[in-house]
Amino acid sequence: DAKTTQPNSMESNEEEPVHLPCNHSTISGTDYIHWYRQLPSQGPEYVIHGLTSNVNNRMASLAIAEDRKSSTLILHRATLRDAAVYYCILRDGNFGNEKLTFGTGTRLTIIP
Amino acid sequence: DTGVSQDPRHKITKRGQNVTFRCDPISEHNRLYWYRQTLGQGPEFLTYFQNEAQLEKSRLLSDRFSAERPKGSFSTLEIQRTEQGDSAMYLCASSRDWTGGGEQYFGPGTRLTVT
Repeated sequence: DAKTTQPNSMESNEEEPVHLPCNHSTISGTDYIHWYRQLPSQGPEYVIHGLTSNVNNRMASLAIAEDRKSSTLILHRATLRDAAVYYCILRDGNFGNEKLTFGTGTRLTIIP
Repeated sequence: DTGVSQDPRHKITKRGQNVTFRCDPISEHNRLYWYRQTLGQGPEFLTYFQNEAQLEKSRLLSDRFSAERPKGSFSTLEIQRTEQGDSAMYLCASSRDWTGGGEQYFGPGTRLTVT
């Protein structure tokens, strides 16, 4: 499985935008970029995913570099409830490659 | 959509005992996954089912571990002769048919402590 690299931790002020980076220099053409987050004492929660184009949903935006070797998860206005570990995951789009391979993620702290 | 549920939420057992966990996926999801998470680490894949068929098993799933999904609905994960190294959070997830993107929905997990 292709690997991703994320900072171990980040801090952000409440009500400000947060940009969480992810490097994936060995990404293949069929790899989707997925983001999940895990709040304390909960199971992971899907945030967003994309292949080549930038994506937006109600939770966040995903900006994908033109060469796809990096991406950024954008939380437009952080709240205290966004404090979590954020995982950037590459998932092969070929049928049968079902599993998610988690790294250690980025622990996001929100400062009130 | 009531979400993925897992039972029990916590289990404390003595080394050498057998334990069984249950996962109820979202009702229309035909894929079900088991992961294990130890402190400070991301979840690690164990196995997954499409309906009742177990299609992939990780090398982490030793012969003391067995998972079933007998009718393609709920699933059980059994650990025989538990060891202290089995102490972890066991997470279950489910998803719809594979679409190339397909998000997985996770349950709250079962925390196992082996004493």
